[in-house]
Amino acid sequence: AQKITQTQPGMFVQEKEAVTLDCTYDTSDPSYGLFWYKQPSSGEMIFLIYQGSYDQQNATEGRYSLNFQKARKSANLVISASQLGDSAMYFCAMREGSGSRLTFGEGTQLTVNP
Amino acid sequence: ETGVTQTPRHLVMGMTNKKSLKCEQHLGHNAMYWYKQSAKKPLELMFVYNFKEQTENNSVPSRFSPECPNSSHLFLHLHTLQPEDSALYLCASSQAGRTSGDNEQFFGPGTRLTVL
Repeated sequence: AQKITQTQPGMFVQEKEAVTLDCTYDTSDPSYGLFWYKQPSSGEMIFLIYQGSYDQQNATEGRYSLNFQKARKSANLVISASQLGDSAMYFCAMREGSGSRLTFGEGTQLTVNP
Repeated sequence: ETGVTQTPRHLVMGMTNKKSLKCEQHLGHNAMYWYKQSAKKPLELMFVYNFKEQTENNSVPSRFSPECPNSSHLFLHLHTLQPEDSALYLCASSQAGRTSGDNEQFFGPGTRLTVL
């Protein structure tokens, strides 16, 4: 079974609107971390936000927030007030246990329209 | 230089060539990684080094040979590659050993490799 599933190959959003990018995960380890990365066309992977499995609060970083629903094993990324520069591929990733290995999803291509 | 750098940014090579990719991190991290990103596929972890020791080889063919001379530098030596090896090769680093917190991986800009 896939450990990270991103069901939206592509998403479109109007500038200044909010958008939610979906991510579900599968693990039996009670300790894990969830990450979101942004990859512009230049190729570099940019870390956006992190959620630990024991964190009580949903993570937020500026315009990014993570809608963490542990029972449903989902960790959706919410981008508020979209900007044209947000157009990029977005990857959800998971680290299980205390290891450093990350498992990535297939990504969602976000396009922000003016 | 700050962060994680990779050279070259683009590489075109024939199947009989030998080339090397270089990664350097300026973050004081002790773990480094090589990933392969092919079109329309998730990132695939290739190798992991912790404190210069290889701790993971994700069933990578022997035509890819990593080298980690110190905790700041990571190389990927390439020889007799196949066209299907064409991809974006990303290097990353992190601070391994932290038992809590985000411990995110910081990525370089990647090397776009084309094998003819």
